[in-house]
Amino acid sequence: QKEVEQNSGPLSVPEGAIASLNCTYSDRGSQSFFWYRQYSGKSPELIMSIYSNGDKEDGRFTAQLNKASQYVSLLIRDSQPSDSATYLCAVAAGKSTFGDGTTLTVKP
Amino acid sequence: GAVVSQHPSRVICKSGTSVKIECRSLDFQATTMFWYRQFPKKSLMLMATSNEGSKATYEQGVEKDKFLINHASLTLSTLTVTSAHPEDSSFYICSAQRAGAGGGNEQFFGPGTRLTVL
Repeated sequence: QKEVEQNSGPLSVPEGAIASLNCTYSDRGSQSFFWYRQYSGKSPELIMSIYSNGDKEDGRFTAQLNKASQYVSLLIRDSQPSDSATYLCAVAAGKSTFGDGTTLTVKP
Repeated sequence: GAVVSQHPSRVICKSGTSVKIECRSLDFQATTMFWYRQFPKKSLMLMATSNEGSKATYEQGVEKDKFLINHASLTLSTLTVTSAHPEDSSFYICSAQRAGAGGGNEQFFGPGTRLTVL
C-alpha cells in the first residue's frame, strides 16, 4: 500500500462544474497536508495547506481534511480550462510524502 | 514571497561530462531543500534531502557519488550530476522548505532543470 494514494484519473469535468480530487494516507501521525498543482512540463506549485480537521477555503479552492478517516480532498468550484493540470497531494509527519497525482481536464 | 529559482533551466551535455544545477531560495532562508527527478508523465521521485551545513540524506537507490549535493548556505543548494549518461536525462526539480502559517513545513519548488545527455 502506498503511503499517499490518489486516483490517477484522468478526471474530466465540464467548464463551470465542481471538480473533486481525493487523497488518502496511511500514516496516522501526519500533521500537515498540502495540495500542489503541476502544469505539463512545469514544476509543482503550492495551492493549499491544511492542518486541522474541517474545511479551508481560498477563492475557488476548498481543502477538506478528515484525520479520523485519513482523508484529504480538494474541491475546485467553477472549474476553468486553466485548471487543467495534475494535482498532487502531499502529507507530512516531518518530511512530505507525495501522491502520484490526479490529472484533471476541464472541457470548455 | 516564497520564490525559488533554479539554474540552468535547460542543459544539453555530452555523455561523461558533469553538470551542476543551482537552487536558490530568493526571499527566505531554507535550512532544508529537496532534490527530485521526474520522468515524463510520471510522479515526482525524491532523490535526496539537502541540509545546510551537513551531508545530504539520499533516498534508497540514489547513488550519492553520482549525484553530489552541496548546501553551502541558507539560500543555495547545488546538485552535480557526475559523469552523466543518457539514462540521467530527466527533469530535475528542487524545492525549499519553509514553515507555513499553520506550523507545518511547506515546500516551494523551483522551475526545474531539463537535462538531456547525448
